[in-house]
Amino acid sequence: EAEVAQSPRYKITEKSQAVAFWCDPISGHATLYWYRQILGQGPELLVQFQDESVVDDSQLPKDRFSAERLKGVDSTLKIQPAELGDSAMYLCASSLGRRDTQYFGPGTRLTVL
Amino acid sequence: AQSVTQLDSQVPVFEEAPVELRCNYSSSVSVYLFWYVQYPNQGLQLLLKYLSGSTLVKGINGFEAEFNKSQTSFHLRKPSVHISDTAEYFCAVSEGGSQGNLIFGKGTKLSVKP
Repeated sequence: EAEVAQSPRYKITEKSQAVAFWCDPISGHATLYWYRQILGQGPELLVQFQDESVVDDSQLPKDRFSAERLKGVDSTLKIQPAELGDSAMYLCASSLGRRDTQYFGPGTRLTVL
Repeated sequence: AQSVTQLDSQVPVFEEAPVELRCNYSSSVSVYLFWYVQYPNQGLQLLLKYLSGSTLVKGINGFEAEFNKSQTSFHLRKPSVHISDTAEYFCAVSEGGSQGNLIFGKGTKLSVKP
């Protein structure tokens, strides 16, 4: 069964450092989502891609976060510089299209010291 | 704007007992509704979804949920739980016609005790 892949699974960094997360969606899925899940909360959407284009990044803190999906397949989410409050699980999801069911990857747990 | 309220943050239950996890939503438009399950340090897995049609939706692992438009609820039920059902459960809503832009509740931790 096809799955969304994410790496690394765990990341520990010090504040002010740069971190990057990678996501490989299910093959053929045109829509890709990045979510942030703070401990004890539900996931919150950070950014949504349709192919290589950003269609919603209204909740992305653009002063320190960036996301790209250059060839419309895999995607990278970057934080620079990391802050203590960025400690969270970062989840990637993909779907065939914007109206279709989302499938989630295992997530990257980020700890900022 | 849409929102989701999961009324119980934690639900302890004994094995083989029935369970209900409550979810209420608010929206000014028609909605799609979802339940996801998250095991420790894992991503979310879709349990079931309501898009249209029958208000009683059956999902994986013996779970079902009922959409009640008048009470704006989508409660999740299972008649007999197992230890392996111990996990966190999230209710989510999206605007009708699209399964994007999911708005999640804060989650309910289900603990099944032997």
